[in-house]
Amino acid sequence: QVQLVQSGAELKKPGASVRVACQASGYSFVTYMIHWVRQAPGQRLEWMGYINAGNGHAKYSQTFQGRVTISRDTSASTVYMELTSLTAEDTALYFCARASGREFSIQEYWGQGTLVTVSS
Amino acid sequence: ETVMTQSPATLSLSPGESATLSCRASQSVSTNLAWYQQKPGQAPRLLIFHASTRATGVPARFSGSGSGTDFTLTISNLQSEDFAIYFCQQYSYWPLTFGGGTKAEI
Repeated sequence: QVQLVQSGAELKKPGASVRVACQASGYSFVTYMIHWVRQAPGQRLEWMGYINAGNGHAKYSQTFQGRVTISRDTSASTVYMELTSLTAEDTALYFCARASGREFSIQEYWGQGTLVTVSS
Repeated sequence: ETVMTQSPATLSLSPGESATLSCRASQSVSTNLAWYQQKPGQAPRLLIFHASTRATGVPARFSGSGSGTDFTLTISNLQSEDFAIYFCQQYSYWPLTFGGGTKAEI
């Protein structure tokens, strides 16, 4: 079955960077897009970007342009999301999600979420 | 960006009742609209895509309708496990955007 397992919670200081990993299993890794979505406390879900796991092409939300990088390691079936110049407003639960087979913009399978806390 | 507005914010219901949740887009998204369910401490779960197509394994009591700017998620015969937060999402334009959610509570 499709599984996305994310790395553990992170505590970072303002100005630092964080990298969250998302290891996929149960399907052909290179066939599907992987999206990143975050959920800050009391806020709506916010789409950050996606990567084509096959060719490595990534697309980002303008909100995060310049601060976020999504990459993948096909040998490890793992996607990474790195966010730089962290502020308290980046404190959130970060999810990776595999795209649907029928529509690549839809997030069909989700990881368990990784809590990133930014605090001095 | 396309702003998604959901109403009501909270819906108080009893098991067995029906729920009608609304989602409005700030511009036409055709039928490029998905609904997700989220329970406390869990990731969202895809329920509906293309405005009205149920995802794999989603019970028939969940149904979606609408096109353009106005959409509805209907949950018939509410079960205890249906009390959760529901989000709509448009995928017609980048960036993908979500509504603020409707909480279905007992």
